[in-house]
Amino acid sequence: GAVVSQHPSRVICKSGTSVKIECRSLDFQATTMFWYRQFPKQSLMLMATSNEGSKATYEQGVEKDKFLINHASLTLSTLTVTSAHPEDSSFYICSASQDRANSPLHFGNGTRLTVT
Amino acid sequence: AQTVTQSQPEMSVQEAETVTLSCTYDTSESDYYLFWYKQPPSRQMILVIRQEAYKQQNATENRFSVNFQKAAKSFSLKISDSQLGDAAMYFCAYRSGGGSEKLVFGKGTKLTVNP
Repeated sequence: GAVVSQHPSRVICKSGTSVKIECRSLDFQATTMFWYRQFPKQSLMLMATSNEGSKATYEQGVEKDKFLINHASLTLSTLTVTSAHPEDSSFYICSASQDRANSPLHFGNGTRLTVT
Repeated sequence: AQTVTQSQPEMSVQEAETVTLSCTYDTSESDYYLFWYKQPPSRQMILVIRQEAYKQQNATENRFSVNFQKAAKSFSLKISDSQLGDAAMYFCAYRSGGGSEKLVFGKGTKLTVNP
């Protein structure tokens, strides 16, 4: 089946630094990938839609200058949390679609970000 | 905008018994897809079952089945012969028709399976 790889699974960084999270579709091409954020005991909140070869579409309230998204190829999207603060600590999870009408989204294993 | 509502924050079931998780949604679209995802403590999102809105027949995957009531905009998940490994958060999700549309999630239901 379709596999989405997300790396790293856990990262700890200091306030003010930047962190890059990678999302790869391993056995299919994905023109669209999605980045979600999940707070403890809450649902997944869509942050942005990553489009290959064009700018990402951000959801209302998500700072595009803080959460930089790059979708440079059909198999790779990256999320960079810039100038991280403790409130950015969260679980980030990506997903990708095979771009067929009835294809479900496939999720990466997520990244636990802790900003100290 | 579409919304998904899961009215049961927590549910519990005895091992080997059957449990039903509720989900309702609101949309004005006619072409869409519905999904149930399972998130165990590992936090991996696992697809449980999906339903195309144009199909009248309810989807079934082994012990998991849905009751899709399109007119009522209801999409409940039934788990039969519950197993300890079924314990997890369950999220109902909506997706518009088309290959690259985002998922809209409900708030989730935490399922506990008692031995």
